[in-house]
Amino acid sequence: SAVISQKPSRDICQRGTSLTIQCQVDSQVTMMFWYRQQPGQSLTLIATANQGSEATYESGFVIDKFPISRPNLTFSTLTVSNMSPEDSSIYLCSVRQATGELFFGEGSRLTVL
Amino acid sequence: ILNVEQSPQSLHVQEGDSTNFTCSFPSSNFYALHWYRWETAKSPEALFVMTLNGDEKKKGRISATLNTKEGYSYLYIKGSQPEDSATYLCALNSGYSTLTFGKGTMLLVSP
Repeated sequence: SAVISQKPSRDICQRGTSLTIQCQVDSQVTMMFWYRQQPGQSLTLIATANQGSEATYESGFVIDKFPISRPNLTFSTLTVSNMSPEDSSIYLCSVRQATGELFFGEGSRLTVL
Repeated sequence: ILNVEQSPQSLHVQEGDSTNFTCSFPSSNFYALHWYRWETAKSPEALFVMTLNGDEKKKGRISATLNTKEGYSYLYIKGSQPEDSATYLCALNSGYSTLTFGKGTMLLVSP
């Protein structure tokens, strides 16, 4: 199993600002995944953060809006840029185990006013 | 876009009741099926990863079955307890590195 620390756990942000979410894993992992859950919607993959290369974004998500850093094998950040109320969501980072199951952080609940 | 459907959307039962929920998915895109439990203010926690048609897995009072030919999985909770209150998510792995999640079933168990 992996222990994943994520912060902030929650924040209230003003429209037009940006917020960076940090994710720290207690072991080295090749890929880290960033998910979002908007109210009433499914957990949706934003991007896969790879160490040493650019993140891979899913359809509908772009680097300008969700820049990701992956400076080493235990840490990643996701920035939500130029926020609007539609960005109010729970953001989760996760890693995949050899069994295929995902381990998640506790999430960052963002409210954009 | 893969369509993973969960039903019911929410469920309210009394302590001691047994309950079950459904996850349906396109059978032609199956590689593995995951179940997660997500309690409020906590991390989603993996319950099962299922790969074989007819497979049945069990963890305590929770069990799951899988039918890959018809594209569904059932999650059962026997003798529900208040601590079982959570959102239960299923997710389809279609053979790539990502999972497609359903919207979840929110379970509330009253004492």
